[in-house]
Amino acid sequence: QSVLTQAPSTSGTPGQRVTISCSGNSSNVGRHNVDWYQQLSGTAPKLLMHGNNERPSGVPDRFSASKSGTSASLAISGLQSEDEADYYCAAWDDNLNGLVFGGGTKLTVL
Amino acid sequence: DVQLVESGGGLVQPGGSLRLSCAASGFNFNTYDLYWVRQAAGKGLEWVSTIDAGGATYYSNSVKGRFTISRENAKSSLSLQMSTLRAGDTAMYYCASAQTKGLEYWGQGALVIVSS
Repeated sequence: QSVLTQAPSTSGTPGQRVTISCSGNSSNVGRHNVDWYQQLSGTAPKLLMHGNNERPSGVPDRFSASKSGTSASLAISGLQSEDEADYYCAAWDDNLNGLVFGGGTKLTVL
Repeated sequence: DVQLVESGGGLVQPGGSLRLSCAASGFNFNTYDLYWVRQAAGKGLEWVSTIDAGGATYYSNSVKGRFTISRENAKSSLSLQMSTLRAGDTAMYYCASAQTKGLEYWGQGALVIVSS
């Protein structure tokens, strides 16, 4: 059972907008920045969003993120087939004194 | 180009030991916090351990007392000494680096299989 809660799967059609949510508590999401990682099949994870809503160089502006209280979300607009991947949220947890991940959300592009 | 390259993975018997290494290049290694993150087959990401730029170490409860993280800045190298290994430690182990903007750089992973 992951400390951060994500839905196991979601789907969308090309061009659609989808959101992936991440729920935590006051010791992690409520207190620290949430980062998002994208993992394409068979590859290492890649930093997708950091500091709640900042994109590393090279990440398209179709990706955006937000946080409110102890919940965070990742939005993908103009969905493309190459966005099909697993998405993970992560935040530092003061109670566990470590990094915690969500269980991951598998995005399928129909 | 930034590179993180893990090595040292393999098959080990339960109760055995293994040492993973991660060779870094292309960024200012000394100023980065370093992480080990693992992923069992078909499962999600699990944080294992962190050593920050100042040398402070942090461990998940699942590996505390069994794993030791260390860094050698002069060689831009990160290590994870794993002992008393269990079947549940079987996973792909990734090294990653971070400053203030998330885990920016990741290696390709080293596979550890704990089995008799």
